[in-house]
Amino acid sequence: GQQVMQIPQYQHVQEGEDFTTYCNSSTTLSNIQWYKQRPGGHPVFLIQLVKSGEVKKQKRLTFQFGEAKKNSSLHITATQTTDVGTYFCAGPGGTSYGKLTFGQGTILTVHP
Amino acid sequence: DAGITQSPRYKITETGRQVTLMCHQTWSHSYMFWYRQDLGHGLRLIYYSAAADITDKGEVPDGYVVSRSKTENFPLTLESATRSQTSVYFCASRENTEAFFGQGTRLTVV
Repeated sequence: GQQVMQIPQYQHVQEGEDFTTYCNSSTTLSNIQWYKQRPGGHPVFLIQLVKSGEVKKQKRLTFQFGEAKKNSSLHITATQTTDVGTYFCAGPGGTSYGKLTFGQGTILTVHP
Repeated sequence: DAGITQSPRYKITETGRQVTLMCHQTWSHSYMFWYRQDLGHGLRLIYYSAAADITDKGEVPDGYVVSRSKTENFPLTLESATRSQTSVYFCASRENTEAFFGQGTRLTVV
């Protein structure tokens, strides 16, 4: 079935440094979603991208959807300790409408 | 209270026992999902459901059974638990865009 691959698996940064996680698919995605999971918590929806080349910002977070709609990225500017957690991308699961397939996630650690 | 709830939150069971994890949502969302989360594997889809009485396999369905007789409930049963099924299990629901996740059930099989 359709899969989304996410890199890196882990990222350790100093507070104030930037952070980026990447999501790649072998097939064109109709949309891509991003979720954040705090340590010990559950995934929480951040955003959905639908259009080719789309860029959306949420404060220090910038989300991009590639022109070919096969890749996406999440960039955090000037990380803070509150950014720690696991960031997941999620794409449609093949032809089954409504199905969501998640990437492996990037675990972000921020050192104060 | 509105939302999606899972029970139990924690469960220890023995190898070979049958275990059922419960999931209940109050929004009447059409889609419901069961994922397991293991370090290094992210969230892997076990089963999902598009509506009551409609279920389909995900990436890792072996050893699990689901049912959805009512829109709001989506129980997950481990027919004969194995140690490899030790994991954190998340139930989720969605209608159009975002998926809403339950708090998770931490299952340990000894």
